[in-house]
Amino acid sequence: KQEVTQIPAALSVPEGENLVLNCSFTDSAIYNLQWFRQDPGKGLTSLLLIQSSQREQTSGRLNASLDKSSGRSTLYIAASQPGDSATYLCAVVNYGGSQGNLIFGKGTKLSVKP
Amino acid sequence: GAGVSQTPSNKVTEKGKYVELRCDPISGHTALYWYRQSLGQGPEFLIYFQGTGAADDSGLPNDRFFAVRPEGSVSTLKIQRTERGDSAVYLCASSLGYHEQFFGPGTRLTVL
Repeated sequence: KQEVTQIPAALSVPEGENLVLNCSFTDSAIYNLQWFRQDPGKGLTSLLLIQSSQREQTSGRLNASLDKSSGRSTLYIAASQPGDSATYLCAVVNYGGSQGNLIFGKGTKLSVKP
Repeated sequence: GAGVSQTPSNKVTEKGKYVELRCDPISGHTALYWYRQSLGQGPEFLIYFQGTGAADDSGLPNDRFFAVRPEGSVSTLKIQRTERGDSAVYLCASSLGYHEQFFGPGTRLTVL
């Protein structure tokens, strides 16, 4: 059974710092991995999608990497801003089967202090 | 609309009542998913539709939960005889097959 773990559960950094959020998964047979942002009381905003054949994806100040063989992904945020404060969720889609549902970690709650 | 929409945004009901939650996916998206998120947890899969049929309902917790998508677009999640443990945020997502999933804002269900 696929399990997704995110470390740390919470992180507080000063504005301007570069930071890394970690995600690990137990079954390397994944179709893709997606990073999301969730603001308090809101739905999920998709940040980056990495297909299993890819190593990384970039969008603005965000860079996500994928090492499928070791079951790890990282989300790198450059020059963090107070507006980056949110919970960041990692999720995978297992390869095969008839469904494409996401399996989520519990998230990392990020606080960027001005 | 440009994104996934869900109604109502908040629903408060009494234990034992019946509720319906609605999801309008992005136009043209064939796949539709329902998830449930409890406080401090990541979303958990409930049911997946490909077109009109429920391709996988293995995440539904029990037979009080049911979902339909009669015309392959709008979906309704139905919960009978609600219990306090059903209180959570119910999220809907849509996609083009095994591609990026886009989420709605969710419905916060509170069962008193």
